[in-house]
Amino acid sequence: AQSVTQLDSHVSVSEGTPVLLRCNYSSSYSPSLFWYVQHPNKGLQLLLKYTSAATLVKGINGFEAEFKKSETSFHLTKPSAHMSDAAEYFCVVSAILSGAGSYQLTFGKGTKLSVIP
Amino acid sequence: DGGITQSPKYLFRKEGQNVTLSCEQNLNHDAMYWYRQDPGQGLRLIYYSQIVNDFQKGDIAEGYSVSREKKESFPLTVTSAQKNPTAFYLCASSIRGARGNTIYFGEGSWLTVV
Repeated sequence: AQSVTQLDSHVSVSEGTPVLLRCNYSSSYSPSLFWYVQHPNKGLQLLLKYTSAATLVKGINGFEAEFKKSETSFHLTKPSAHMSDAAEYFCVVSAILSGAGSYQLTFGKGTKLSVIP
Repeated sequence: DGGITQSPKYLFRKEGQNVTLSCEQNLNHDAMYWYRQDPGQGLRLIYYSQIVNDFQKGDIAEGYSVSREKKESFPLTVTSAQKNPTAFYLCASSIRGARGNTIYFGEGSWLTVV
């Protein structure tokens, strides 16, 4: 079984300051991990993903995340927040659905990021 | 442009009615999924399909039904048996087979019971 815990339901930062969104996971095998972003009334867009290659993953819009196996964490960071970053962010771990080779995503409950001008 | 199209964007259902949400993809993906999103709950899997004419229940399938007659299409019917259907519904698709494959999402559909 796998699970994802996003440690903050709401994060508020000032424009131009760093962003840190925290995510811890549990998985019975080597996981794939994802961060998705959702703007209001929209679908989810992939920011970045980790699939057992480099532990520091760079994504779109200046975001990056570091996979730390010893801490079972996959925190999302950005050096400088922009107003357009205000959205909800989901940390996700993959899980096998069945022996036929399909995978289910297990979602965290989301972190809402507010950016103050 | 390749992508996933969900329709309608907004749908209102009366008590006791069945309604169907459409999902079409032109990404040539074998696997398709339906998720339900409620505020503060993340996304929960309703049904998934790995291949045409096959689908499986997810975590919250009660009160929902699906079909997969074509690779491109995976409609979701919300039946009158679903007691609390008001939510945001997201359709998604992916390539089969590898745990690192990205799942792509449509823009979502809002369903409200009136």
